[in-house]
Amino acid sequence: DAMVIQNPRYQVTQFGKPVTLSCSQTLNHNVMYWYQQKSSQAPKLLFHYYDKDFNNEADTPDNFQSRRPNTSFCFLDIRSPGLGDAAMYLCATSRGLNGPTDTQYFGPGTRLTVL
Amino acid sequence: QKEVEQNSGPLSVPEGAIASLNCTYSDRGSQSFFWYRQYSGKSPELIMFIYSNGDKEDGRFTAQLNKASQYVSLLIRDSQPSDSATYLCAVNKSGGSYIPTFGRGTSLIVHP
Repeated sequence: DAMVIQNPRYQVTQFGKPVTLSCSQTLNHNVMYWYQQKSSQAPKLLFHYYDKDFNNEADTPDNFQSRRPNTSFCFLDIRSPGLGDAAMYLCATSRGLNGPTDTQYFGPGTRLTVL
Repeated sequence: QKEVEQNSGPLSVPEGAIASLNCTYSDRGSQSFFWYRQYSGKSPELIMFIYSNGDKEDGRFTAQLNKASQYVSLLIRDSQPSDSATYLCAVNKSGGSYIPTFGRGTSLIVHP
């Protein structure tokens, strides 16, 4: 089945220790997104890629970086995690950005804990 | 004013009743509106989207859109305990990009 896969599902890291979260998709979608969601809050868009074109949200901290080496994979790097970065990180994909039916499909998420 | 506003709830309804979830948005140029369901600890899953004024039905779910009032709602008929979840409203930004902005969600509890 075509899907969005995130690894790991749970990640524990130490304060300041870099961590990388991964996302892969078999949908062959052009767009991949990273969201941060804290408890009882709305998913917050960090950035997205349209193919290799990277788009950073204005309020995304510099501590967050992303890479998309090919169509299928996208990575979220947190260079120096702080306690406030503990959250669920959601990867999503969509076919495009230009139509009302370009809906997003979410992966299962990675729960990040910072000790 | 937040871009997408939802009452956080919880909204509690008895099994078999109609649950009504509401969402207002601030961007008059928004064109697409989405409802996602999110179970605790899980990722959002799309229930339906709507982009024309009026009603759109899909099984037990009906989305209602009123662009003049900047209001979108989701009705769940014959609510089941398995419908207990957080329902996220998402609205695309105007200006051509269909990247949605999410509300914080309404928690729905359906009790037997």
